[in-house]
Amino acid sequence: AQSVTQLDSQVPVFEEAPVELRCNYSSSVSVYLFWYVQYPNQGLQLLLKYLSGSTLVESINGFEAEFNKSQTSFHLRKPSVHISDTAEYFCAAVFSGANNLFFGTGTRLTVIP
Amino acid sequence: EAGVAQSPRYKIIEKRQSVAFWCNPISGHATLYWYQQILGQGPKLLIQFQNNGVVDDSQLPKDRFSAERLKGVDSTLKIQPAKLEDSAVYLCASSLVGTHGNTIYFGEGSWLTVV
Repeated sequence: AQSVTQLDSQVPVFEEAPVELRCNYSSSVSVYLFWYVQYPNQGLQLLLKYLSGSTLVESINGFEAEFNKSQTSFHLRKPSVHISDTAEYFCAAVFSGANNLFFGTGTRLTVIP
Repeated sequence: EAGVAQSPRYKIIEKRQSVAFWCNPISGHATLYWYQQILGQGPKLLIQFQNNGVVDDSQLPKDRFSAERLKGVDSTLKIQPAKLEDSAVYLCASSLVGTHGNTIYFGEGSWLTVV
């Protein structure tokens, strides 16, 4: 069965520390992968996406994610977090042959001053 | 450009009552989605439209939920009668034709509480 798994429901981290939010997927077909961010009381915003080509993708605010086919992972990283990064982060996938996004359960990142 | 517009932002109703949510997608976006996001869970697709036709409604509880996209632009999602477990955020989203490779843009959501 096709699925997206985010094992960490909450990740607290101190300001300026590095962070990794984990995402794994399960699929026997090709996949497009996405990270969305949801700030409090706001809608989902696309952070970055992997469609093809370079396995390392970056966002404009310092986040990056690497597609690892052998590990079926797409972990999100940032070398130094800011207070403003506090939000809910969702990993999502479009599986080949499917019409829509499958979401993980989300990881709440809390940056501690 | 204007984003995906949704209304109302917040709604509280009693169980067995009805409610309707409205969505206006980004101009030119042929594909429109309604997602349900229950607290603590990721969004789940309820229905997907391509222009004014339904592409996927396999997860829509059709005994109580209905949706339409007349003229292939705005869309309305209705719940009648509502149950307690329908308390959730209802997210409308849109994209250019199809999902593959196209960014899906989300509205701010309509927060429903059923008491």
